[in-house]
Formats: sequence, structure tokens, C-alpha cells
Amino acid sequence: TQLLEQSPQFLSIQEGENLTVYCNSSSVFSSLQWYRQEPGEGPVLLVTVVTGGEVKKLKRLTFQFGDARKDSSLHITAAQPGDTGLYLCAGAETGGFKTIFGAGTRLFVKA
Amino acid sequence: GAVVSQHPSRVICKSGTSVKIECRSLDFQATTMFWYRQFPKQSLMLMATSNEGSKATYEQGVEKDKFLINHASLTLSTLTVTSAHPEDSSFYICSARYLTGTDGYTFGSGTRLTVV
Repeated sequence: TQLLEQSPQFLSIQEGENLTVYCNSSSVFSSLQWYRQEPGEGPVLLVTVVTGGEVKKLKRLTFQFGDARKDSSLHITAAQPGDTGLYLCAGAETGGFKTIFGAGTRLFVKA
Repeated sequence: GAVVSQHPSRVICKSGTSVKIECRSLDFQATTMFWYRQFPKQSLMLMATSNEGSKATYEQGVEKDKFLINHASLTLSTLTVTSAHPEDSSFYICSARYLTGTDGYTFGSGTRLTVV
């Protein structure tokens, strides 16, 4: 079974600070997704990374896929209170349809 | 974009009764849908994979007789929690892959089930 370890589990920062969330595995994934979930709602896809070493930017969010496709990071620049939420990484199982979710990082940005 | 509609958003039921949750793909066909369960402040745990026209595949530890899944069409999958008990109270979410390959999944808005 492929596992994804996500860290940190909880992060509370001031508005304007930068932060990085990590997602690591000993297994190779065919792709990796990052989602953001707000309380009482389903996760919303932020980005999908496919190629080893790939970097994608979404406004103040930068996503990177490790060269070996075993890990990924999400970096947020100048965090805003609106960034508050649960961030989930998810890896597409190689050779299958399943998506494996990390435990999530709960981010709280204080104004 | 691809939208998955999930109903109801909230349901309260008495112990021993059954509850059906629907998951519809509105603008695409979904041969495969996934059902997750999420406890407070925890991540999503895959319960089962729903396959159109065939039996669902359940994850280890998930009782197939308790969580009945039906995927009778390319746009609808249902999860029925039978003989519900308070410990079944949770947030249930469905998802579907909307493109082949590696383009991620679209999720329903979730159903908050409370069994009293």
C-alpha cells in the first residue's frame, strides 16, 4: 500500500508570512494533486503535477513535484486569512485508479 | 468544468434506519466514482470504488453489507448506510475522475450524517 506523509499537520501563522507544506512517500506516484478543503465542504482541486521536477504556480502558491515523483511541496507566499483551510495532497496510485490522501495540513492565517 | 453534485448535504436519522446519499456527475460521464469518509479534523479515508454496471470494490475493513453502493448509470452513484448507528455519524464525500489519465478528481460537496 502506498502511503503519503504530510507535514506539518497544523500551522498557525500571521498574515504576510510565508510557509511550506510537504508531502512525502517512499513510493512513486504517477501524479500528485493538491486540494484545499473548507469546513463542511468537499475538497477543491488546486493543481495536478505529473512530471518529476515540475513546478507550477497559482498566484501566491507554488507547487513542486520531486524529481523522483515521490514527494511534493506547496509554498505559499505572503499568506492571507483567506488561505485558511485544510490542504490535502493526494497521489494517484501507479497502475491503478485509487488516490491516496495525506493526513492534511490545517492552516490558520491570522490577520 | 466538471461538477459532481452530492445530496443531501446534511441528514439526521434515527438509529436503525437507512440513509441514501446520491452522487451525480452533472456534465460528464463517470464510469468510476469513489466514496470517502472523513472524521472531524482528519483526512479522507477511501471506503469503496463504485464501478458503473458492476459491483463496488470495498476497502479493507469496510462492511459491504452495511454500506451499499449502487452505480446504475454513468452519472449516478448512491451510497446507502443501512441500519445506521451513532458511530456511523461522519462526513461522507464522493468523487469522480473527470478525465482519463492524471488530471485529478472532482469532489461532491459532502454529506454530514448524524445518527441519533
